[in-house]
Amino acid sequence: QVQLQESGPGLVKPSETLSLTCAVSDYSISSGYHWAWIRQPPGKGLEWIASVFKNGNTYYNPSLKSRVSISVDTSKNQFSLKLTSVTATDTAMYFCARVLGSSAWFDYWGPGTLVTVSS
Amino acid sequence: SYVLTQPPSLSVAPGQTARITCGGNDIGTKSVHWYQQKPGQAPVLVVYYDKDRPSEIPERFSGSNSGNTATLTISRVEAGDEADYYCQVWDLSTDHYAIFGGGTKLTVL
Repeated sequence: QVQLQESGPGLVKPSETLSLTCAVSDYSISSGYHWAWIRQPPGKGLEWIASVFKNGNTYYNPSLKSRVSISVDTSKNQFSLKLTSVTATDTAMYFCARVLGSSAWFDYWGPGTLVTVSS
Repeated sequence: SYVLTQPPSLSVAPGQTARITCGGNDIGTKSVHWYQQKPGQAPVLVVYYDKDRPSEIPERFSGSNSGNTATLTISRVEAGDEADYYCQVWDLSTDHYAIFGGGTKLTVL
């Protein structure tokens, strides 16, 4: 069964760049499938951030597109998220997930990592 | 942009049936997926492609989708079903992106 684990700093200063990594276990990321980042501000709902498909195409939430990038590192079997110019509104639990199907559902999720934006 | 609308809350007695709706313009033409999230945990996929269930999800969970409304139905509700439920689609109308509904808090009385 696929396992995902997010990692990264729990505290980021305003205007800096948030960088997170999702390590994938028990599955070779280069074998296929798509991958995604999703976040959830405290007490609020889920917000999709970005996806990278197995063909290399990347897709971003239009509201975040100018600040976000997603990439895959097959040598380390992980994928990453970068979000620039963060503000307090970027404070959230960040989840990584595997994506399945042409209509893109999320079948495996990491436990999440809380990122707080504060000086 | 495409919007998915869910009722914020729903209360059901144990043993009864819960129907959680997800409204969207012509949502019946899209594939809808549903997630259950318990406090402090990551979401869990419970229904995909409108009505298919992952093997580990009980048959009590079922889905349907037609017109402007998709529905997640939970039969014989149990205390352990108390959670937040989110619908999700992958929108191709203008760009490729995932959209979540605002979530429904299911309370088991």
